[in-house]
Amino acid sequence: SQTIHQWPATLVQPVGSPLSLECTVEGTSNPNLYWYRQAAGRGLQLLFYSVGIGQISSEVPQNLSASRPQDRQFILSSKKLLLSDSGFYLCAWSGTGVDQPQHFGDGTRLSIL
Amino acid sequence: AQTVTQSQPEMSVQEAETVTLSCTYDTSESDYYLFWYKQPPSRQMILVIRQEAYKQQNATENRFSVNFQKAAKSFSLKISDSQLGDAAMYFCAYWEYGNKLVFGAGTILRVKS
Repeated sequence: SQTIHQWPATLVQPVGSPLSLECTVEGTSNPNLYWYRQAAGRGLQLLFYSVGIGQISSEVPQNLSASRPQDRQFILSSKKLLLSDSGFYLCAWSGTGVDQPQHFGDGTRLSIL
Repeated sequence: AQTVTQSQPEMSVQEAETVTLSCTYDTSESDYYLFWYKQPPSRQMILVIRQEAYKQQNATENRFSVNFQKAAKSFSLKISDSQLGDAAMYFCAYWEYGNKLVFGAGTILRVKS
């Protein structure tokens, strides 16, 4: 069966520091991969999605970036974190079929001090 | 751009009773998919139910069912025989071409014993 791993579960970082959140999927090949952010008490905002290695689409311009160095690995990064980057970050994967639902990781709670 | 609206920020239901969560969406497409996701306090995102727009029959999944009104662009979730474990944030989501999910702002469901 397919599983998705996302780490770390919680992270506290100072303003201006770099960021790297990692997400990996097991049990499937060539998945679509997604990064979402959920601000406190609000819905999910799609940040990036990827349909293949090295193929990244950005939905919201910001100081975050994403990379997909391997088929089942998706990384969310920042060179310098802002206070507004605080939130709950969720990685998700889906199959490539048109009716494939997205399956989410456990999330990372990021606090910027 | 497609939008998803959940007009009920919070709902309450008595254990064993039935509750309906509302969702409306805006699209010019005729073929799409709709989903309800559940996010319990653990923050995981769990797929509850999905509906294919070209199917007139409403989807059901055990105690969960939807009322899909395509002309009205409405997609409500009915939870029957509510249980304490149903307490969570519920997100309505619309899938659009390009594998991007658009989420509503969410509805917090509280279950009273």
